[in-house]
Amino acid sequence: QVQLVESGGGVVQPGRSLRLSCATSGFSFSNYAILWVRQAPGKGLEWVAGISYDARNKNYADSVKGRFAISRDNSKSTVSLQMNNLRSDDTATYYCARSFTASPDHWGQGTLVTVSS
Amino acid sequence: AIQMTQSPSSLSASVGDRVTITCRSSQGIGHDLGWLQQKPGKPPKLLIYVASTVQGGGPSRFSGSGSGTDFTLTINSLQPEDVATYYCLQNYNFPWTFGQGTKVEIK
Repeated sequence: QVQLVESGGGVVQPGRSLRLSCATSGFSFSNYAILWVRQAPGKGLEWVAGISYDARNKNYADSVKGRFAISRDNSKSTVSLQMNNLRSDDTATYYCARSFTASPDHWGQGTLVTVSS
Repeated sequence: AIQMTQSPSSLSASVGDRVTITCRSSQGIGHDLGWLQQKPGKPPKLLIYVASTVQGGGPSRFSGSGSGTDFTLTINSLQPEDVATYYCLQNYNFPWTFGQGTKVEIK
């Protein structure tokens, strides 16, 4: 079955870096775009970044542009989100999800990132 | 960025009621809209994509309609398991944007 599993979350100080990973299985990974969506505690959903199936196109929310970088390894069916210069307002649960041509149809369970001194 | 305005922010209805949630985009997005359901402590789940297509395995009481700038999610015959927060999401162009969410409760 389709699975996406996030890892790499934790507690980090402001200004530091963290790298999230999304390991996938159960589908043809190289045919799908992957996106990251986050949710601050008690708040709504915010799209963060997306990468096309072939990694040629990468897009970012304005709130993370220049600080976050998304990448993928089609040989390992994984996607990474490198998060630099973290701020307190980056505190959230981060979900990865897959998208073929439309809305994301499978989501991971999420990984919690807490930015705090 | 395209802004998605969702309403109401919350609602309370009785079991068996018909519930309607609306989403308006700040510019035309064709049919590039999805509806997601999120229960507490769980990841979002896709209900509807391209505005009106029910995701495989989804209950038939959920339906979507609309195009351009105005979209609707309808729950026919609300059930206790439908208690959740519902979000619209435009995937017309980047950055993708969500509505603020609608929290649905049982009266």
